[in-house]
Amino acid sequence: KAGVTQTPRYLIKTRGQQVTLSCSPISGHRSVSWYQQTPGQGLQFLFEYFSETQRNKGNFPGRFSGRQFSNSRSEMNVSTLELGDSALYLCASIPGTSVENEQFFGPGTRLTVL
Amino acid sequence: GEDVEQSLFLSVREGDSSVINCTYTDSSSTYLYWYKQEPGAGLQLLTYIFSNMDMKQDQRLTVLLNKKDKHLSLRIADTQTGDSAIYFCAESFSGGYNKLIFGAGTRLAVHP
Repeated sequence: KAGVTQTPRYLIKTRGQQVTLSCSPISGHRSVSWYQQTPGQGLQFLFEYFSETQRNKGNFPGRFSGRQFSNSRSEMNVSTLELGDSALYLCASIPGTSVENEQFFGPGTRLTVL
Repeated sequence: GEDVEQSLFLSVREGDSSVINCTYTDSSSTYLYWYKQEPGAGLQLLTYIFSNMDMKQDQRLTVLLNKKDKHLSLRIADTQTGDSAIYFCAESFSGGYNKLIFGAGTRLAVHP
């Protein structure tokens, strides 16, 4: 069974640009969550999608957005990049049933904003 | 409120047991998780426990939960150099769907 795939693995952008990150969850999983990891703030929840609907959102500005497609793949977008957006962005793949509660993370996308 | 706290560092000798501790504040916690992160890598799920359980054992790993004190621990038996990593505890909670609140992580150093 394939794991969680995140692309690209590394990305370098400049301030003011926008970026799109992709996450393909484990086959059969219906929910995807996104997290930002920085040395200063640690792991912070961005948002969660289930069956193409955003169910929960963290405390991030509107420049951070996401979506989920019918095949459960998810993308997150950051517009007007700032230096502070440099981070490891992780997505979690979740079965989405009431009895399966494992949350499996991908390897992450490391974004550097110059 | 939502808060998870962990000690930042732990150093152990190879072959000894490691105990990593975590406290949380949300009384509506549903599941509590332990993740391992090696340098440059994502988060590896080690184990998780439902909030109405006291203990869970999985090979070298033992999770103890004291719900009254909101204290969670991870014991690693016979610690090896390959166990050197950062360990994160995290909680999900009622009404949060699958949102996880993470601690700051405990850096475990295993020395010969």
